[in-house]
Amino acid sequence: ELKVEQNPLFLSMQEGKNYTIYCNYSTTSDRLYWYRQDPGKSLESLFVLLSNGAVKQEGRLMASLDTKARLSTLHITAAVHDLSATYFCAVQETSGSRLTFGEGTQLTVNP
Amino acid sequence: EPEVTQTPSHQVTQMGQEVILRCVPISNHLYFYWYRQILGQKVEFLVSFYNNEISEKSEIFDDQFSVERPDGSNFTLKIRSTKLEDSAMYFCASTQWGNQPQHFGDGTRLSIL
Repeated sequence: ELKVEQNPLFLSMQEGKNYTIYCNYSTTSDRLYWYRQDPGKSLESLFVLLSNGAVKQEGRLMASLDTKARLSTLHITAAVHDLSATYFCAVQETSGSRLTFGEGTQLTVNP
Repeated sequence: EPEVTQTPSHQVTQMGQEVILRCVPISNHLYFYWYRQILGQKVEFLVSFYNNEISEKSEIFDDQFSVERPDGSNFTLKIRSTKLEDSAMYFCASTQWGNQPQHFGDGTRLSIL
């Protein structure tokens, strides 16, 4: 059974600071997705990582994938309050299309 | 931008009753999914649907659950006899190809009393 673990689960940070969220998974996969969820809302796709060494950047967020280490990171640069949300990584096994989600990282950016 | 739409946004149902959750996926998408999220927990896969049949299902998706695509646009999830533990947010998602990001609807909050 595929396991996906994120850490930290809760992250409180000050505006302007940098931090990294980690996503580890237990099986061979080269397809990983990052989603953002605001309270009571749906999931918004942020990044698609489809190969080893893939790196994607959008604004203050950068995601990377190391399939050998079975690890993805979501790096936040110079955080702003608008980034406050829950961030989920989701892994897709090569044998199908279902997504297995991590527990989510609840990010709070304080002024 | 096209989006996945779900109705109703909130459904309150007595335990033991049947409930149908409705979704209209993005029109040129071929793969359809249902996920659920119990309050404060992670998102869990229920079922995927492609080419008019179930392609994968999880252990959560037991005989009480069924999915249908009754016409060219709607995709429904039916729970035959609801239990208290079915209370959750149910998300529908769709994608054009299996290795593209899945687009999620706003969800239906299901409350079982």
